[in-house]
Amino acid sequence: GENVEQHPSTLSVQEGDSAVIKCTYSDSASNYFPWYKQELGKGPQLIIDIRSNVGEKKDQRIAVTLNKTAKHFSLHITETQPEDSAVYFCAALNTGFQKLVFGTGTRLLVSP
Amino acid sequence: KAGVTQTPRYLIKTRGQQVTLSCSPISGHRSVSWYQQTPGQGLQFLFEYFSETQRNKGNFPGRFSGRQFSNSRSEMNVSTLELGDSALYLCASSLDVGDTQYFGPGTRLTVL
Repeated sequence: GENVEQHPSTLSVQEGDSAVIKCTYSDSASNYFPWYKQELGKGPQLIIDIRSNVGEKKDQRIAVTLNKTAKHFSLHITETQPEDSAVYFCAALNTGFQKLVFGTGTRLLVSP
Repeated sequence: KAGVTQTPRYLIKTRGQQVTLSCSPISGHRSVSWYQQTPGQGLQFLFEYFSETQRNKGNFPGRFSGRQFSNSRSEMNVSTLELGDSALYLCASSLDVGDTQYFGPGTRLTVL
């Protein structure tokens, strides 16, 4: 089955810096890769996603890149703000099924 | 549109009891998936329902079960609770299988 590895487990940056979180997946049949942000006491919130027919997607300060050959994808946050502090999860899905496989999460701390 | 709602938000049970959790998907969404989140195991897939049928199941014992009603609302049941069942149980809905999943706030279950 699918296995998703996520690094780093924790990331501390200064406000205004960029943050990069990386994930690798094992199943070449996976074709959908969402990123979720989870704040304390809340459910995961979708922040951006990418499908396997696209190499990069951007939404304001957030971007995701996908390398299908290497089976890895990354989340890039520019101009970080304190409110970006949260746990971020990557996930992979084979859209023939509905089983999202999550990475282990990255705790991002943005210091003012 | 209202988001995914889950009830109750918090629950305390003792070992051996059973529990039923409820999830109301976003209006128009027909697929509901359930996940268990724990500090040790992260986010793990339980099962997925579409049009009242279980389409996919994760690696959990038979004590975990679920169902979906004709209005797409879903319930999950855990029988003979164990201490290790303490977790945040998350429900996610999507328009159809393979579509973006949106999570509810979760039900925090504590087993004493």
